[in-house]
Amino acid sequence: ETGVTQSPTHLIKTRGQQVTLRCSSQSGHNTVSWYQQALGQGPQFIFQYYREEENGRGNFPPRFSGLQFPNYSSELNVNALELDDSALYLCASSSGGQGSYEQYFGPGTRLTVT
Amino acid sequence: GESVGLHLPTLSVQEGDNSIINCAYSNSASDYFIWYKQESGKGPQFIIDIRSNMDKRQGQRVTVLLNKTVKHLSLQIAATQPGDSAVYFCAETNSGYSTLTFGKGTMLLVSP
Repeated sequence: ETGVTQSPTHLIKTRGQQVTLRCSSQSGHNTVSWYQQALGQGPQFIFQYYREEENGRGNFPPRFSGLQFPNYSSELNVNALELDDSALYLCASSSGGQGSYEQYFGPGTRLTVT
Repeated sequence: GESVGLHLPTLSVQEGDNSIINCAYSNSASDYFIWYKQESGKGPQFIIDIRSNMDKRQGQRVTVLLNKTVKHLSLQIAATQPGDSAVYFCAETNSGYSTLTFGKGTMLLVSP
């Protein structure tokens, strides 16, 4: 186990709704990255937070937003859900911000949008 | 955009065989590569990494080979065990960047 936890495990939402996913990073890690993994695909980078600031963003629209708290836990918020947002959402924690390559992944939150 | 890809979507082997999983990358600026193992219902698990100034790195039962000339990466698993059954992803990144670019994955199936 990596020590990275995510909640909830599974979630079902309706198109147009909003969702918040949560991640607790491994002890001692100050960086959290979020990924979206569609079925049968590799994870796609959404964004990263380092010391409470966004530290890089992938090719995702602004309705994907995030937060990092002083204890380095993080939230991923998705507004105006679309069917294509159905995926496994992974968070990964690491230390040191940019250049901190070894990322420890949580088990993910499975989001289904109907 | 540039991305990491894998040649074989599924690899079936017998227990005790050696397995080789291949990966092609297209971003010549990438200088760090990682192999992850993902079991059903779990997040990706770090296996082994390699920097672009190396062409081979060995771990416990695993070896990663990097050929920068043809932009090819491989993961070799010795004496494959049923517990090795999972999806394997290669990922690449560039020094100073925060993002990992993953390929689609190869499913490794190990028969007893």
